Formats: sequence, structure tokens, C-alpha cells
Amino acid sequence: QKEVEQDPGPLSVPEGAIVSLNCTYSNSAFQYFMWYRQYSRKGPELLMYTYSSGNKEDGRFTAQVDKSSKYISLFIRDSQPSDSATYLCAMRGLASGGSYIPTFGRGTSLIVHP
Amino acid sequence: GAVVSQHPSWVICKSGTSVKIECRSLDFQATTMFWYRQFPKQSLMLMATSNEGSKATYEQGVEKDKFLINHASLTLSTLTVTSAHPEDSSFYICSAYVAGVPGELFFGEGSRLTVL
Repeated sequence: QKEVEQDPGPLSVPEGAIVSLNCTYSNSAFQYFMWYRQYSRKGPELLMYTYSSGNKEDGRFTAQVDKSSKYISLFIRDSQPSDSATYLCAMRGLASGGSYIPTFGRGTSLIVHP
Repeated sequence: GAVVSQHPSWVICKSGTSVKIECRSLDFQATTMFWYRQFPKQSLMLMATSNEGSKATYEQGVEKDKFLINHASLTLSTLTVTSAHPEDSSFYICSAYVAGVPGELFFGEGSRLTVL
């Protein structure tokens, strides 16, 4: 079993839909969670990060972490064609413990069609 | 967020030649940089961790003599693919780790290497 599992998709939705992207993980030491967006042939771009369980909102994006279930989600409201990209989750343990190197999910390809 | 510049963005070379990829932190100092390799529709594969002024730490299965990493300054790390072969063709991405900065991991734009 991989440490971080993420369905590669593709996930195809109509414009305006609410998108739910998810990752599960097995390492209970993971404490810091990040979501990246990667357009084709570009480097990943940080979207959101969070330490704690619960929700964190930034514009149309909401990151949700459930440490008890080892499950994280990224919600995109009012999705736009420009949101079409690959979304990667990443997570790591406490940096003070030396585990600052993040583990990435495989990425989910999202296609938002007009 | 912090800006990481990677160059070149695309390079084509002949088999047997060496190619150098540069990764620069433009507005901050990065004591740690990571080098990743990414195959189409696959996730990021960590190749090595580069710390300024010391030897890079390579992940298992990555040939250190083939993928030379130098981190001579706090703003520049380089990856040299030596004696490149077609199987080395890939997308290479660097990232800079900045402790204490929200988000903390900032990526370059990536370099697409094609070896003929």
C-alpha cells in the first residue's frame, strides 16, 4: 500500500459544478497537508496548505482534513475551464523531526468543460 | 509566494552529451532544494535532496554519477544529466524548501529534456 493514495482520474465535470478531489494516507505521522495545481508541462503551484483537521477556505477552494480517517479533500466551487489541470496532494510529518520532505499523491486530472 | 526560476524550460540533446539544468530562488535564500522527475501522467518522483554547501542526498535507485547535483550557493542548485540517453528523457522539476514560510515548498516551472 502506498503512503498516499489519489485517484488519477480523469475527472470530467461541466462548468459551474462543485468538484471534490480526495486523498487517503496511511502514515499517522503526517501533520502538514498541501494541495498543488499543475498545468500541463508546468511546475506545481501551491493552492492551499493546512496543519489541522477541519476546513480551510480560500475563495472558491476549500481544503478539508480528517486526521481520524486519514482523509483529505479539496473542494472547488463554481468550477471554471481554467481549473482544468492536475491536482496533487502532498503531506509530511513534523519538520522538527526531520521529516520535512513531503510525500506526493499521484495527482488527479480534472477537466472542466464549458 | 517565493519565486523559483528554472532554466532551460525545454532542451533537446544528442545521446551521449551532458545537459545542465539550473534552479534559482529569485527573492529568497533556499538552504534546501529538491529535484524531482515526472513521467507523463505520473506523480513527482523525488530524485535527491540538495543542501547548500554539502553533498546531495540521493533517493534509492537514482544514479548519483549520472545525475550530478550541485548546490554551491543559497540561490542556485544545478542538475547535470551526464551522458544522456533516450531513457533519461523526462520532465525535471526543482523545488525550494523555505522553513517557516506558509506553504514552504515552491516549485520551478520544470525542464523538459528530450534525448535523441
